[in-house]
Amino acid sequence: DARVTQTPRDKVTEMGQEVTMRCQPILGHNTVFWYRQTMMQGLELLAYFRNRAPLDDSGMPKDRFSAEMPDATLATLKIQPSEPRDSAVYFCASGLGGRAYNEQFFGPGTRLTVL
Amino acid sequence: TQLLEQSPQFLSIQEGENLTVYCNSSSVFSSLQWYRQEPGEGPVLLVTVVTGGEVKKLKRLTFQFGDARKDSSLHITAAQPGDTGLYLCAGARNTGNQFYFGTGTSLTVIP
Repeated sequence: DARVTQTPRDKVTEMGQEVTMRCQPILGHNTVFWYRQTMMQGLELLAYFRNRAPLDDSGMPKDRFSAEMPDATLATLKIQPSEPRDSAVYFCASGLGGRAYNEQFFGPGTRLTVL
Repeated sequence: TQLLEQSPQFLSIQEGENLTVYCNSSSVFSSLQWYRQEPGEGPVLLVTVVTGGEVKKLKRLTFQFGDARKDSSLHITAAQPGDTGLYLCAGARNTGNQFYFGTGTSLTVIP
């Protein structure tokens, strides 16, 4: 069955290193979301795209984070340079835009640890 | 500051008991969703409610959207160990599908 895939599943890196997380949305979905989940803050929206165009990235620290959709089958979230406070689980979700109650299908997440 | 506050934050109950989880806000939402998340996985949608006062049932789970569309509740009857997980509410404030997630309720059902 169709699923959102994310790579890598786990990433351990040192402070200052660049981290790139990848997401393959479900084929045919035109909306992609990036979330970050921590124990303290819960699930926070970082950015979302519709038809590959960024609609809202206000939840993302602009100085170090960037999100792109090079094509309809790939979304990337990059952190450069990474910091220990970026340690979290990063989720990608995809859906069909246009209605207020559309379901978001979440990927399994990338667990990032920055030492 | 979280837009949606859930209570309780943690809940541990015996199999067979009933429970209610609350999702509250001072903001009005056009729709509200409930998700369940299991360890190591992403959240999975359980239900969407769109009308104030709406009640939806999914087997032993009953979801209600407040009349003013500012709050919601999830009631589980005769909880089972398989119900264990993190329950998240998420509200949409406009006609787009950007959802704001609640603080979460971690449920453990003890056999």
